Amino acid sequence: QKEVEQNSGPLSVPEGAIASLNCTYSDRGSQSFFWYRQYSGKSPELIMFIYSNGDKEDGRFTAQLNKASQYVSLLIRDSQPSDSATYLCAVNTLNNAGNMLTFGGGTRLMVKP
Amino acid sequence: DAGVTQSPTHLIKTRGQHVTLRCSPISGHKSVSWYQQVLGQGPQFIFQYYEKEERGRGNFPDRFSARQFPNYSSELNVNALLLGDSALYLCASSLVVVPETQYFGPGTRLLVL
Repeated sequence: QKEVEQNSGPLSVPEGAIASLNCTYSDRGSQSFFWYRQYSGKSPELIMFIYSNGDKEDGRFTAQLNKASQYVSLLIRDSQPSDSATYLCAVNTLNNAGNMLTFGGGTRLMVKP
Repeated sequence: DAGVTQSPTHLIKTRGQHVTLRCSPISGHKSVSWYQQVLGQGPQFIFQYYEKEERGRGNFPDRFSARQFPNYSSELNVNALLLGDSALYLCASSLVVVPETQYFGPGTRLLVL
């Protein structure tokens, strides 16, 4: 069973702080890694994706990938109350089921003013 | 440009009934994927279609089926509904089969009584 694991939270951080969200995955054949944000009652929105080991930055967001440790993280700098949402980690693996995304259960982030 | 649209937005059915959910992709997108998201969990991959052919199937029973039409819209059908089928059903469209260009629709919330 290929799995993606996230701490369900809630992770509570004060406004202006750095929020660190973590994700581990079990399938070493995984090729690309995604972070989505989902507000309550809404559908997931893509934040960013990463393919290679190291860091990838996009505005206040930084994705970090370590394939040897099978670990992906998302850092949110200068957290704002509007960042309060559930953050979903997803992993893309091309296998017999096709080109599918496997999602973790999500981490709920709360940014307090 | 319009985003991914899904209909209906909400649906209430009873056990044993059949349901059809519909999805229209973003203009120019040729791939449609379906996901089931049970409350409190991450989305789970059901099907992917590209150019009217099934390109991927998740671990769901045969009660679940789908198809893609020449205009790239798609239907998800679920037969013999169970209480456990209650979930948010998400459709995502992408230019091609890779998820980097994938955008989610607003979803259809299905309640099975």
